[in-house]
Amino acid sequence: EAQVTQNPRYLITVTGKKLTVTCSQNMNHEYMSWYRQDPGLGLRQIYYSMNVEVTDKGDVPEGYKVSRKEKRNFPLILESPSPNQTSLYFCASRLAGRETQYFGPGTRLLVL
Amino acid sequence: GQQLNQSPQSMFIQEGEDVSMNCTSSSIFNTWLWYKQDPGEGPVLLIALYKAGELTSNGRLTAQFGITRKDSFLNISASIPSDVGIYFCAGQLRGNQFYFGTGTSLTVIP
Repeated sequence: EAQVTQNPRYLITVTGKKLTVTCSQNMNHEYMSWYRQDPGLGLRQIYYSMNVEVTDKGDVPEGYKVSRKEKRNFPLILESPSPNQTSLYFCASRLAGRETQYFGPGTRLLVL
Repeated sequence: GQQLNQSPQSMFIQEGEDVSMNCTSSSIFNTWLWYKQDPGEGPVLLIALYKAGELTSNGRLTAQFGITRKDSFLNISASIPSDVGIYFCAGQLRGNQFYFGTGTSLTVIP
């Protein structure tokens, strides 16, 4: 089944404790993105990648890092999480030249 | 970042009624997209629009790409309970840069 998977689905952590949210897609898509969703703000793009080793900042990249060492994986790294990074995070992927993004199920993060 | 203003913020309607929502931007977009998000899931693409003035339908859904390229509209006809969810507009500027609206929460009362 074609899908985007994220892990973990739920995470509670404390300020300053490094964490990684994994994202994997099995559709051989070139493009991948990370978004955060907050009430009243919709989805905001954090980082995106157009292929292996090619990443760029989205609208709200501060406090986040990403890497794209393999085509299928695009982990989101929070080196020193803060409470304002409490949010619902979505990973998405799409084929180059196609506008249809496939979203993962989301990761709900709470930073205390 | 880009600001996409989506309205209304929420709607409560009777089953069978038609629904209209819109999205406006301060910027010109190359592509307009409409998504639906069900509770606990990621957004799913409903309709994509590629040029100014374009009117596209997907079943009971109809969307239009505004002439100025700064706005878009989504209409849902004869609403049913499974239409419940949050609807987002999104604009694509270039490459992989997407900007989403703030969402319209739709509740359909049977």
